[in-house]
Amino acid sequence: QKEVEQNSGPLSVPEGAIASLNCTYSDRGSQSFFWYRQYSGKSPELIMFIYSNGDKEDGRFTAQLNKASQYVSLLIRDSQPSDSATYLCAEGGGYSTLTFGKGTMLLVSP
Amino acid sequence: GAGVSQSPSNKVTEKGKDVELRCDPISGHTALYWYRQSLGQGLEFLIYFQGNSAPDKSGLPSDRFSAERTGGSVSTLTIQRTQQEDSAVYLCASSPTGVQPQHFGDGTRLSIL
Repeated sequence: QKEVEQNSGPLSVPEGAIASLNCTYSDRGSQSFFWYRQYSGKSPELIMFIYSNGDKEDGRFTAQLNKASQYVSLLIRDSQPSDSATYLCAEGGGYSTLTFGKGTMLLVSP
Repeated sequence: GAGVSQSPSNKVTEKGKDVELRCDPISGHTALYWYRQSLGQGLEFLIYFQGNSAPDKSGLPSDRFSAERTGGSVSTLTIQRTQQEDSAVYLCASSPTGVQPQHFGDGTRLSIL
């Protein structure tokens, strides 16, 4: 049974700070990793995906993958109150469905 | 372009009734997924369709749940003899060729009275 673990939070950061969201996964064969943002009452929205070890940057977001440690993280620079949401980490092994973590709630205070 | 479309957006029904939820994936996406999300909980995988292959039904919680996908496009999730514990948001997602990333619809909020 694949598992993806996330701290439920809430993670509270002040506006302008860096928010660091972390995720661990159980399946060493996992090939792809995704971060989704979910606002309350809304459906998940894809914000980042990463397939290779290292960092991947997209605007204020950086995804980091360490396959040896089975660890994925998402950094949000210059956090804004509009970033307040639940962030879901997911992993996949190719032609299959994704396994989602339960999500970390992020609160960015003005 | 159009995203994943789900209908109805909300459904309220009495315990014991059957319900059908519809998903229209992004045009050209061959993979389609159904998930369930209960209040304050994570996403629970239900079923996965990939092209003409047999669907992965491993997440369906009971035989009251079934799904089909016609013509490789629109999918219908059917819940028979609904129970109160079936109350949740049912989310559909699609992806190109079965390789992620998945894109989600807005979901159907199902309430069983």
